[in-house]
Amino acid sequence: DAKTTQPPSMDCAEGRAANLPCNHSTISGNEYVYWYRQIHSQGPQYIIHGLKNNETNEMASLIITEDRKSSTLILPHATLRDTAVYYCIVRAYLISNFGNEKLTFGTGTRLTIIP
Amino acid sequence: DAGVIQSPRHEVTEMGQEVTLRCKPISGHNSLFWYRQTMMRGLELLIYFNNNVPIDDSGMPEDRFSAKMPNASFSTLKIQPSEPRDSAVYFCASSLAGGNEQFFGPGTRLTVL
Repeated sequence: DAKTTQPPSMDCAEGRAANLPCNHSTISGNEYVYWYRQIHSQGPQYIIHGLKNNETNEMASLIITEDRKSSTLILPHATLRDTAVYYCIVRAYLISNFGNEKLTFGTGTRLTIIP
Repeated sequence: DAGVIQSPRHEVTEMGQEVTLRCKPISGHNSLFWYRQTMMRGLELLIYFNNNVPIDDSGMPEDRFSAKMPNASFSTLKIQPSEPRDSAVYFCASSLAGGNEQFFGPGTRLTVL
C-alpha cells in the first residue's frame, strides 16, 4: 500500500472549518484513501473514504485532487470533541471477500480545536 | 449493538506470566483484527482473521504471541511469557469481509512489570 505524509499537528478555532491535508504521491489506480481518527484513550473511528471523486457524509468531506496524489479532509464546523489524531490511510480496493484488508496507520495529524 | 467488546480493559502482570486478551466482534462481522499501539511504534496490525481463519499474521512479533478465533463471536490474543516491552494498548476491530469500515473496541491496556 502507498505511504502517506501528514503534518504532525494542527490547530483550528472552534466553529471554523478544519482542513487536514494528506500527501499520497505514490498511490496506485486501485487504491482508496481512508480517514480514521482516534480520540484520546479510545479506539480509532472510521470517518470517510474515497477513490477519486469528492465525498461527503455526516462527519466530514473528502477532497481528492485530480491526479490523486493528495487529499484534504474537511471538518466543516469543528467542535472541541473533534480534538483527536487523524490518520490518512491508502488501501487497495477489495475485489473479493478475501483481499488484503490491512489498514496501515502512520503517525497521523494531531488536531487541536481551540475554544 | 454493543459494538466490539474487549476484556479486560486493564491488565497488570509480572514478567513471565501468561496474558490472555479477549475480543467479541460485532455480530455478523466476519473479519477480525488485532492491533497494538505504543508511543514508539504507533498503531500496528498484529493479525487478522476472515471467517475465523487467520489470513495475515505477519505483524505478530514473535512466537510468544498467539491468536485464535474458535468461532465467529470470540477471539483471544495470548502472550506467553509476557515481557515489559509488551506493555501497550491492544485493540480489537471487526468488519464485514471486504468492508470499508473497521469498528474498533475500547482496547486493553496491558502493563507488564
